[in-house]
Amino acid sequence: GAVVSQHPSRVICKSGTSVKIECRSLDFQATTMFWYRQFPKKSLMLMATSNEGSKATYEQGVEKDKFLINHASLTLSTLTVTSAHPEDSSFYICSAPRGAGGRFTFGSGTRLTVV
Amino acid sequence: GQQLNQSPQSMFIQEGEDVSMNCTSSSIFNTWLWYKQDPGEGPVLLIALYKAGELTSNGRLTAQFGITRKDSFLNISASIPSDVGIYFCAGQGTGNQFYFGTGTSLTVIP
Repeated sequence: GAVVSQHPSRVICKSGTSVKIECRSLDFQATTMFWYRQFPKKSLMLMATSNEGSKATYEQGVEKDKFLINHASLTLSTLTVTSAHPEDSSFYICSAPRGAGGRFTFGSGTRLTVV
Repeated sequence: GQQLNQSPQSMFIQEGEDVSMNCTSSSIFNTWLWYKQDPGEGPVLLIALYKAGELTSNGRLTAQFGITRKDSFLNISASIPSDVGIYFCAGQGTGNQFYFGTGTSLTVIP
């Protein structure tokens, strides 16, 4: 079936550094990728929608200069957390629609810890 | 982003009991999905609903798309220990993006 490979699964970085998270569709083309953030024991919050070849659309309250999204090809979307701070520590998950009927494939998630 | 109201927030039940949880929204949705998430993993789709009034089953799981298109419920019958996890509803808004419920944490006591 359709798979979205997300890397890294875990990353610990120092405050002030940047971290890149990749989501790659392995056997289908993902023209759209959704990026979610999840705080411990909380729901998934949609951060932004990336579309291949165009600028990402950010949800209200999400800083586009802090969470840089690039969707340069039909199989790869990246989220870069710039100048990370401890409050950016979270679980980040991507998902891509596949086929018709509202079916999505989720990445396995990235646990980011900023120290 | 938009969030859906999901209840209950947590449940502690005995193995073999039935479980019911629901989601409500102030907006009308065209699609409702129910997911289960295990710790440290991404959500896994359980049931998808595409039409108001639709009732769909997946093994011991049953979900319904409310007639008003603003709510949905998920039932789990005869719970087992592996049902433990966090269950999320998701509603599809305009475009393809989904908005998630606040989650129901389920604990099954053997």
